[in-house]
Amino acid sequence: AQTVTQSQPEMSVQEAETVTLSCTYDTSENNYYLFWYKQPPSRQMILVIRQEAYKQQNATENRFSVNFQKAAKSFSLKISDSQLGDTAMYFCAFIPTSGTYKYIFGTGTRLKVLA
Amino acid sequence: GAVVSQHPSRVICKSGTSVKIECRSLDFQATTMFWYRQFPKKSLMLMATSNEGSKATYEQGVEKDKFLINHASLTLSTLTVTSAHPEDSSFYICSASQVEREEETQYFGPGTRLLVL
Repeated sequence: AQTVTQSQPEMSVQEAETVTLSCTYDTSENNYYLFWYKQPPSRQMILVIRQEAYKQQNATENRFSVNFQKAAKSFSLKISDSQLGDTAMYFCAFIPTSGTYKYIFGTGTRLKVLA
Repeated sequence: GAVVSQHPSRVICKSGTSVKIECRSLDFQATTMFWYRQFPKKSLMLMATSNEGSKATYEQGVEKDKFLINHASLTLSTLTVTSAHPEDSSFYICSASQVEREEETQYFGPGTRLLVL
């Protein structure tokens, strides 16, 4: 079975500091995509960053970057220069490239940025 | 980025009535849409996969006669909660799949909060 695990239910970080959210997954697939989604209090799911498994280079999007370790099946999200607007639930998600493109979500990490 | 809308954003209804939720992809065509349910402080639970012009594929444990899904066009999918009961109260989210340069990304609607009295 394919699973996504987020072991940190809640985290907090001081404004302007850096925080890393962890995500591990389990799959026998070789090709897949990994995502981090943000769900602020408005509950709108927002795509933060995506990573293709066949790419060795870690994806970056402005203050957001990932540390993708394929052999270890690890996909952590680093948020640099944290801002109050980063306060949200963060979900790690996985999609195999074969099959029906159904997301498998982790249980989420609630991040609070402190002023 | 691609925009997905949902209507209504929140609805309150009496037990036994049916409620229809619309999901629209506003600036792209989506052959596949997905419906999720999210309980408070929990992750998203996939309910069904909706393909334009064909029957929806329901996840295990989801009653297809209870949650009717229609994907009538490439930009619209509807979820109808039939004979709603208080236990159906939840946050329902749809997503629409867009393929660009052979890469697929799902874009999510803002969600619909359903309260059944």
